[in-house]
Amino acid sequence: KNEVEQSPQNLTAQEGEFITINCSYSVGISALHWLQQHPGGGIVSLFMLSSGKKKHGRLIATINIQEKHSSLHITASHPRDSAVYICAVRSRETSGSRLTFGEGTQLTVNP
Amino acid sequence: DARVTQTPRHKVTEMGQEVTMRCQPILGHNTVFWYRQTMMQGLELLAYFRNRAPLDDSGMPKDRFSAEMPDATLATLKIQPSEPRDSAVYFCASGLRLAGGNNEQFFGPGTRLTVL
Repeated sequence: KNEVEQSPQNLTAQEGEFITINCSYSVGISALHWLQQHPGGGIVSLFMLSSGKKKHGRLIATINIQEKHSSLHITASHPRDSAVYICAVRSRETSGSRLTFGEGTQLTVNP
Repeated sequence: DARVTQTPRHKVTEMGQEVTMRCQPILGHNTVFWYRQTMMQGLELLAYFRNRAPLDDSGMPKDRFSAEMPDATLATLKIQPSEPRDSAVYFCASGLRLAGGNNEQFFGPGTRLTVL
């Protein structure tokens, strides 16, 4: 079992739909990151969370430390949101800044 | 507009050749990471440095890979000799780690390496 699991692996939505991507992890963490990888390959850090909820524009990230679960929500989705979304955690068990990555969720938003 | 830069962006080489990838972290960042991304394995950490000192290179095949930071503005990842299985996209990321804190990582555009 991977330390970080994402669901779904693939998601297709129509423009305007509300989207949720889930991330579950099995270790104690000090931080969780959500990353976005564009079709061209570039990676952008969207959020870094250690508790609660963060919002940036149409993106919302939540984390439940007790349940070892995080969600990334996209409101009013748009075709430009099409990308791979990657969850990554920094484990408390390992020192330093090492991140363990999920396999990613491929999101396609159709016009 | 501060960003991480990587060179080259693309590299095609023959098996057995030496490959050197370079990264310029964001000025003022004290932590530099090297990641490799393949279809099979996804993103994997190869090595990372804090204040130019290597902290963790357990993800790196030691017999052929080496990572260094000759100065605070340059990180290098070298493969010698290269093998076809090294074909991947290599990302560099940098961050500012403060005492007791977490740091956000900023990714470079990656170097796409193809070893024939």
